[in-house]
Amino acid sequence: GQQLNQSPQSMFIQEGEDVSMNCTSSSIFNTWLWYKQDPGEGPVLLIALYKAGELTSNGRLTAQFGITRKDSFLNISASIPSDVGIYFCAGRRETSGSRLTFGEGTQLTVNP
Amino acid sequence: EAGVAQSPRYKIIEKRQSVAFWCNPISGHATLYWYQQILGQGPKLLIQFQNNGVVDDSQLPKDRFSAERLKGVDSTLKIQPAKLEDSAVYLCASTRTGGRWGQFFGPGTRLTVL
Repeated sequence: GQQLNQSPQSMFIQEGEDVSMNCTSSSIFNTWLWYKQDPGEGPVLLIALYKAGELTSNGRLTAQFGITRKDSFLNISASIPSDVGIYFCAGRRETSGSRLTFGEGTQLTVNP
Repeated sequence: EAGVAQSPRYKIIEKRQSVAFWCNPISGHATLYWYQQILGQGPKLLIQFQNNGVVDDSQLPKDRFSAERLKGVDSTLKIQPAKLEDSAVYLCASTRTGGRWGQFFGPGTRLTVL
């Protein structure tokens, strides 16, 4: 099936550092979503992007919908310990209704 | 607004046994999804309902998995018989009609098949 390549797989950073992660695909998507999942919980929606080139912020989080519509980026500024978790990108293709395809996740560890 | 509810939170069974999971979506959300999330991977869609009708079940292993949403509100997902490779977290999600908005997930049911 369709895959989203998410990188990096894991990150170990110090508190206060900025973080960047991205998601790429060989296919065009018309929606990009970024989720965070804590242990034992379901993914929680962080940011939704609906238009190529769109840049959206949610507090310290900023995400962009790539111009080619084949990629998306998530940045976290001034990381704090509670940012620890797994971040997933998810994309929706025009031809797949509302079905989402998820990336494999980026495990973020923040050292105090 | 209450979130997506799922039960049980954990289930341990032996292979070849049957198991069922329950989901109650956010009130007013017509679209309901069941996902399987294997450890270390992203969620994979199993089935999508719009009200009480199936929209997409192309990735549901129909020889052993079944799901229903009889009254268009809550839903059950069943596995019969279970295999070792079914060990995973089963997530339920819901969204408003139209699907523009992001899907909202429940806490999941962690299934272990021994």
